[in-house]
Amino acid sequence: EIVLTQSPGTLSLSPGQRATLSCRASQSVATNYLAWYQQRPGQAPVLLIYGASRRATGIPDRFSGSGSGTVFTLTISRLEPEDSAVYYCQQYGSSPPYTFGQGTKLEIK
Amino acid sequence: EVQLVESGGGLIQPGGSLRLSCAASGFVFSGHQMNWVREAPGRGLEWLSFISDSGHFTYYTDSVEGRFTISRDNAKNSLYLQMNSLRAEDTAVYYCARQQNYYDSVASNWVVYMDVWGKGTTVTVSS
Repeated sequence: EIVLTQSPGTLSLSPGQRATLSCRASQSVATNYLAWYQQRPGQAPVLLIYGASRRATGIPDRFSGSGSGTVFTLTISRLEPEDSAVYYCQQYGSSPPYTFGQGTKLEIK
Repeated sequence: EVQLVESGGGLIQPGGSLRLSCAASGFVFSGHQMNWVREAPGRGLEWLSFISDSGHFTYYTDSVEGRFTISRDNAKNSLYLQMNSLRAEDTAVYYCARQQNYYDSVASNWVVYMDVWGKGTTVTVSS
């Protein structure tokens, strides 16, 4: 089973700054099988990025994904207060089991 | 509007059983693979189970294999999760999620992700 490790655990930034979130895999993940989700408190997860770098419908271009192999990055530019949430990476592989990273909590102060 | 609505959660004693349902609307349910994902208090998201569009193929994470059963009724546009031998550590919000698979002809590969999620139903396992 592929293990995803996200860092940092918590990130505290100010509005207007840029956030860089990391997701490292225990073995290589094909880019077409890597996605990022945002989960605000008390809400369901929302798809942000799929295929490592493709933005989901309706997601602002402030959100971007990159990476390959075992290292993937979610970058959020021009941070806004509503970006406060937990962000998860997920790998799919060619078949289940699918796995999530443990999440990065982003605080905007 | 594309929508998933979970139901069936509640308070249950350890060792008990519960059946969760997920009602789909606004899309061709039979054309999509589906998943269950949970979020335990203070913990992150955990993928639990997958079912193919026909229902013929299923997968489970190790922690629920043999205790949980995923199923679907395409005629009723519904997904289910039968949970037996429940434990305190099964306490969580349970989400159903639609899986999207499309073939990228430029890259010559399949792209997979979960694009629609329900709001979740809460399961509490406690005596």
